[in-house]
Amino acid sequence: EAGVVQSPRYKIIEKKQPVAFWCNPISGHNTLYWYLQNLGQGPELLIRYENEEAVDDSQLPKDRFSAERLKGVDSTLKIQPAELGDSAVYLCASSATGTSYETQYFGPGTRLLVL
Amino acid sequence: RKEVEQDPGPFNVPEGATVAFNCTYSNSASQSFFWYRQDCRKEPKLLMSVYSSGNEDGRFTAQLNRASQYISLLIRDSKLSDSATYLCVVHASGGSYIPTFGRGTSLIVHP
Repeated sequence: EAGVVQSPRYKIIEKKQPVAFWCNPISGHNTLYWYLQNLGQGPELLIRYENEEAVDDSQLPKDRFSAERLKGVDSTLKIQPAELGDSAVYLCASSATGTSYETQYFGPGTRLLVL
Repeated sequence: RKEVEQDPGPFNVPEGATVAFNCTYSNSASQSFFWYRQDCRKEPKLLMSVYSSGNEDGRFTAQLNRASQYISLLIRDSKLSDSATYLCVVHASGGSYIPTFGRGTSLIVHP
């Protein structure tokens, strides 16, 4: 069974440029998460989707970050414009139904460097 | 105060040693608890869930202390391959929850 797929794996951009990350969850998983992980820190939740509905986006900086999961399958996270402090690893995860007892399966992440 | 706190370490132990990590959480409504393992430059992967009665999986034992609001992970007979960062994860109760990760504890097992 294929795991969570993310692309690109690495991205280098200049500040003020836009950037987008793509995630395809495990087939059949209804819940999708986007996390940000800084060096030496644990992942921090940005947004959680149940199917195509964003059910937790309180920690998403909405002035520059946006996300969508139009058909309830794959998802895109966008930053526009990027700032130096956005350099981090962006992780996508999925779980089957989104109950709090479920395992999350993570993708390999996208490593973003903003110059 | 952070919602989930872990000692970042590193814990530097010889092969065969027993090592224990603690993780404290501040939200008394927290419902479910997990330990994830993260290797360097890799994604986190579930190590084990933590049940109220405690649970064991081979050399790994997890315990939950609700009164003191902490969970623990005990690793017996450490192997070189156990070297990694161990992330504590706490989920609050209710239909809509935010999984909260600790910053992780780094373990280095040396020959």
